[in-house]
Amino acid sequence: EAQVTQNPRYLITVTGKKLTVTCSQNMNHEYMSWYRQDPGLGLRQIYYSMNVEVTDKGDVPEGYKVSRKEKRNFPLILESPSPNQTSLYFCASSLARGLYNSPLHFGNGTRLTVT
Amino acid sequence: AQKVTQAQTEISVVEKEDVTLDCVYETRDTTYYLFWYKQPPSGELVFLIRRNSFDEQNEISGRYSWNFQKSTSSFNFTITASQVVDSAVYFCALSENNDKLIFGTGTRLQVFP
Repeated sequence: EAQVTQNPRYLITVTGKKLTVTCSQNMNHEYMSWYRQDPGLGLRQIYYSMNVEVTDKGDVPEGYKVSRKEKRNFPLILESPSPNQTSLYFCASSLARGLYNSPLHFGNGTRLTVT
Repeated sequence: AQKVTQAQTEISVVEKEDVTLDCVYETRDTTYYLFWYKQPPSGELVFLIRRNSFDEQNEISGRYSWNFQKSTSSFNFTITASQVVDSAVYFCALSENNDKLIFGTGTRLQVFP
C-alpha cells in the first residue's frame, strides 16, 4: 500500500532532550516536506526537500533540522526541544520535484508535547 | 505575498443540508494551484482536489463540488446533502512557487444527525 509513515504517533518529552521523528515513503517520491499544525494557524511548512541531499527552509525552520540521505526517508530532528514546539507534525511527499505535477500525500501525524 | 483565508472557523449543519465552505486566496503569480484537504477526527489529511489557475471549470465529484472564480480569487467547496461522515476540518491551500503549500486556518464542519 502506498503510504507515508511517521513514527512515533505520540511523543511526550522534556525541554532540551533531543528527539527525532522519522518519516518514510514507499512511493519513490522525489519531494518531501514537514509541516506543523497549530490551532488557529493552520499548517505551516518547516522544511522541504526536492531530492536526495537537497533540503530548504520553509516558513518556520527555527529549532528544527532535517536530512535527506535516502530518497525514501526524511527525518525531522529537534536538537533541543522547547515547549513552543508542542504541536502536531505532518510529513508529506509528492511524486515530482514540486507540487504542480502531483498533490501532497500526508502521513498520519505525530503529536509532540514538550514539557 | 501569498495568503489563504478561510473566514468560517466553524459551521454546524443538520444532515442532508447543503453547506458551502469559503476560501479566498491572494497571489501575485499567474500560475498557481489550489487544493482542498479534509482532516477527519482521526487526524490524517486527505487530499480532495487540485485545480490550476488556468482551469476555471467547476468540478463535481459525487456530493462534492468546487467553484473556482478568479475574478473574486475564490475557490469554494460545497457539500450537497451533507452526512455525519462529512464532519471534519477542511483546509484550503495554495501553491504558488511549486515548493510548498500555503494553508488556510481551516473550517471545522460539524454535521448533526
